[in-house]
Amino acid sequence: GENVEQHPSTLSVQEGDSAVIKCTYSDSASNYFPWYKQELGKRPQLIIDIRSNVGEKKDQRIAVTLNKTAKHFSLHITETQPEDSAVYFCAAPAGGNQFYFGTGTSLTVIP
Amino acid sequence: EAQVTQNPRYLITVTGKKLTVTCSQNMNHEYMSWYRQDPGLGLRQIYYSMNVEVTDKGDVPEGYKVSRKEKRNFPLILESPSPNQTSLYFCASNDRGSTYEQYFGPGTRLTVT
Repeated sequence: GENVEQHPSTLSVQEGDSAVIKCTYSDSASNYFPWYKQELGKRPQLIIDIRSNVGEKKDQRIAVTLNKTAKHFSLHITETQPEDSAVYFCAAPAGGNQFYFGTGTSLTVIP
Repeated sequence: EAQVTQNPRYLITVTGKKLTVTCSQNMNHEYMSWYRQDPGLGLRQIYYSMNVEVTDKGDVPEGYKVSRKEKRNFPLILESPSPNQTSLYFCASNDRGSTYEQYFGPGTRLTVT
């Protein structure tokens, strides 16, 4: 089955700096890679996703890059703001509607 | 308003006492899932369903049951809860097709003593 690893587990950045979170996956058949943001006490919500036929996708201050050869994908947040502080999860599908999530990255943006 | 609802939001119970957590979505989604969230382990899928009367095991199905008798409902059943099932549970739904975005419910905090 799929195995998703996520690093780092915690990340602190100064406001205005960039943050990068990386995930690796094992199943070369995986073709969809979402990123979810979970604020404290809230439910996870999708912030950006990418399909395997593109290498990069950007939405304002967030972007996701995918390297299919190396089987890893990354979330990039530029010009970080305090409201970016949350736990971020990556995920990868494993057939049907089965999904494997990473273990999460707790991002703290220091004002 | 498009949403996924779960009940109860908080539950404290004792070992062995059967319980059901309900989940309902009003988006006419084909697919529904249950996850548990534990510190350091992220979100782990318990069961998922791709259609009425069709359910499949996820990564951690032991000790859980589900049913999908109607498209909008996907209850999670713990026949004999144990303390290691103390966790935060999320129901989610997503549509078949070009998008796999999962819409999560608000979560159910379960404590088994």
